Amino acid sequence: AQTVTQSQPEMSVQEAETVTLSCTYDTSESDYYLFWYKQPPSRQMILVIRQEAYKQQNATENRFSVNFQKAAKSFSLKISDSQLGDAAMYFCASPKRSGGSYIPTFGRGTSLIVHP
Amino acid sequence: DTEVTQTPKHLVMGMTNKKSLKCEQHMGHRAMYWYKQKAKKPPELMFVYSYEKLSINESVPSRFSPECPNSSLLNLHLHALQPEDSALYLCASSAGSGRAVYEQYFGPGTRLTVT
Repeated sequence: AQTVTQSQPEMSVQEAETVTLSCTYDTSESDYYLFWYKQPPSRQMILVIRQEAYKQQNATENRFSVNFQKAAKSFSLKISDSQLGDAAMYFCASPKRSGGSYIPTFGRGTSLIVHP
Repeated sequence: DTEVTQTPKHLVMGMTNKKSLKCEQHMGHRAMYWYKQKAKKPPELMFVYSYEKLSINESVPSRFSPECPNSSLLNLHLHALQPEDSALYLCASSAGSGRAVYEQYFGPGTRLTVT
């Protein structure tokens, strides 16, 4: 069974500091993307960053970057210069095959608290 | 337009009521999804439509009935729900579902309370 593990139910960071959220996954696919989604309290879930598995270069989006270790099946998210607006649930997701479709498997999420 | 819209935002219904949730996207996406989400938990997949056909039903009770009238619209019909069905219901879409590469675009959700 394909699984996604986020081992940190909650993380705290001071504003302007850096925090890393961890994620490990398991897949038998060779061509796949990995995703981090952000869900602020009572707000819409949005994509933060994606990583193409066949690319060795780690993806970056402004203050957000990933540390992708394919052999270790690790996909952590680093948030630099944390802002109050970064406070949210963060979900790591990996596609899982189901019949002829691929559906996302989500980790249990990490709740990020940002202290002013 | 990269938006997925959902109506209503909030819904309170009794256990004998019939109601429907609606989801719409105009991104030309060919896959649409219904999820159920409890507080501080990840979304749980309920249904997947691919090219307007139901492709995945994650053993959802028959009191939830999905419908995809066209490629832009997705409905979830609710009947005889239980209090434990109270949750945030999320709709999502993606460009496709036949490869392990598609990101999901989520709607804001419908907060459902069953009394």
